[in-house]
Parts: sequence; C-alpha cells; structure tokens
Amino acid sequence: QSVLTQPPSVSGAPGQRVTISCTGSGSNIGAGYNVNWYQHLSGTAPKLVIFDNNSRPSGVPDRFSGSRSGGSASLAITGLQAEDEADYYCQSYDSTLNTFLFGAGTKVTVL
Amino acid sequence: ELQLVQSGGGVVQPGGSLRLSCVDSRSTFSSYWMTWVRQVPGKGLVWVARVSNDGGNTKYADSVRGRFTISRDNAKSTLFLQMKSLRVEDTAVYYCARTIYYSSSDNWFDSWGQGALVTVSS
Repeated sequence: QSVLTQPPSVSGAPGQRVTISCTGSGSNIGAGYNVNWYQHLSGTAPKLVIFDNNSRPSGVPDRFSGSRSGGSASLAITGLQAEDEADYYCQSYDSTLNTFLFGAGTKVTVL
Repeated sequence: ELQLVQSGGGVVQPGGSLRLSCVDSRSTFSSYWMTWVRQVPGKGLVWVARVSNDGGNTKYADSVRGRFTISRDNAKSTLFLQMKSLRVEDTAVYYCARTIYYSSSDNWFDSWGQGALVTVSS
C-alpha cells in the first residue's frame, strides 16, 4: 500500500470533468511538501502535467489543474478528451522515509 | 521528440550486474540534476536514485543503497546506473528523468527517457 493514496480508477464522458485525489499524511503532503503530477501511457515516457502543486509546464493544456490542501492534493481534468486516457501519478517527498514518493496511480478512462 | 534515450536493459541472473545508460540530446545536460525511477510491470512508479548536476551529490532509495551506483559523464551528456548484486525484485522498467531541483526535498521530473526493461531471473 502506497504512502500516497490515489483511487485506482476514475472515468468520465468526453467533455466532462474528473478529479483525482492524492491523500498523504503529516510527513509528506501535510508537512507542506509540494505535489507534482505525471501522465503515463504504458510503454511510453511519463509526462509532467503539474508541478509545484498547481503550475503547468509549457505545452500542457489548461484543462489540467492542480491543488493542495492540508494533507491532500488533487488533479482535475476538465473538458475530458480521448487523449487524456492514461495513468496519472502524484509525487511528493516524505521526511520520515527520507525519500521521494509516488502514489500507486489512477487510471483515467474516457467512456 | 524523445530527448533522453536509454540503453542497457536486458536479462541477468540473480547476483549479476548490469549498467543502464541515458543520453541527453540537449546541450544543457550538465546544468540539471538527474534521477532514476523504476516501475515493476503492472505496478506504480518508484524513485530509485538521484545525482547532482556535477555528480558530487548522490541519494539512493534504501532498497538499492550499496548495490546501485548513479553517476554521470557531462562531457558525453550521459547518465548511468550501475546495478550489482541484482535481485529478482529489481525486475522493472527503469526510467531516467531530468530533475528540476528546487530544494533537497522539492524535486520534479520534467523530461523522461523511454524506459529500459531489466529482468532478473535464473
């Protein structure tokens, strides 16, 4: 079981909004460490979609947004498109484990 | 366009060694910290090791410390992961990733390689 907890899957119809939660604890997200999000299609290189909780890299559509509150973070995808179907991972740092952590990943399915 | 190109994966027996390479096609390689991340097939991503831009500072996950060595050759824009005393549980796809180092505890990975499969099996 991952220290950063994500739902295994979320789904939505094209054009809808989906959110992915990432729940941590007082030694990681709750301690104020930043959260980053990655999109990953099996067999390809992962892609950074959100860094520093809510910043978007150049080239990432503004349909992707991130937030952090207390010990949790969220990734929202609005105007869902078929190309958004992938696995999404949150990532942060844990001061007790002294390492960088990824969540277990959430599979986004476009219905 | 893939800017980090990996090589070196393969099949190795338990106890064996393997070296992974990651070549950056950009001219900025020496300015960035670099990280290795692995993924057991069907599982999530796991952070493995990190090296500073000059190679002088390294950090390892507990699971690989003492067995794996991360290093770099800035003249050749190449990152390495030397893996020794390999175990079955090291079987995974290994990714190199360019690292944005904001602080020792605040890193993110803005560019990734295509991955290299390492299979440890007898």
